[in-house]
Amino acid sequence: DSGVTQTPKHLITATGQRVTLRCSPRSGDLSVYWYQQSLDQGLQFLIQYYNGEERAKGNILERFSAQQFPDLHSELNLSSLELGDSALYFCASTTSGAGYTFGSGTRLTVV
Amino acid sequence: AQKVTQAQTEISVVEKEDVTLDCVYETRDTTYYLFWYKQPPSGELVFLIRRNSFDEQNEISGRYSWNFQKSTSSFNFTITASQVVDSAVYFCALMRTSGTYKYIFGTGTRLKVLA
Repeated sequence: DSGVTQTPKHLITATGQRVTLRCSPRSGDLSVYWYQQSLDQGLQFLIQYYNGEERAKGNILERFSAQQFPDLHSELNLSSLELGDSALYFCASTTSGAGYTFGSGTRLTVV
Repeated sequence: AQKVTQAQTEISVVEKEDVTLDCVYETRDTTYYLFWYKQPPSGELVFLIRRNSFDEQNEISGRYSWNFQKSTSSFNFTITASQVVDSAVYFCALMRTSGTYKYIFGTGTRLKVLA
């Protein structure tokens, strides 16, 4: 157990739907990162939150949004889902900038 | 711009062979971190090693060893006496030491170790 908890582990949904992925960071970690791993794009940085505030955005679509709550857990919201959004979504957390711990991922399948 | 290149898409070896996974990176930063992660078939990302750009010492951990050469911008990973359990996708990643601390991942190398 890495200490970073992601739920659900698997999600199957239809095109056009909206889903929410949840991440609980490791105890004491203030930063949360979201990454997407798809077959054609590889592992891509989506967005970072630090202590409740958005810090950086990567290749995140406008249909996607995220937030970090006061208890430091984070949610990634994906809307108007398309087949191409099928991917493994990872959350990671850290306190320092020396590398971070990944969760086990949420595998999203859009049908 | 920062970039990580793992030119080997897939490597197959027979058990007990040694195998080296290549990683070449590009960055204009003078300080940075380099990482290797393993992604087994189960899908999670398993941390293997972090290397600070100031530390060019090679490192050995059991059957794993890493060769960091700043002069050639390479951070290669060698598995000695490979085992079937080593079969996985291996990712090399680069991280800046300031700013957002996001990872720039390579495209990964799929290692298949055959019994």
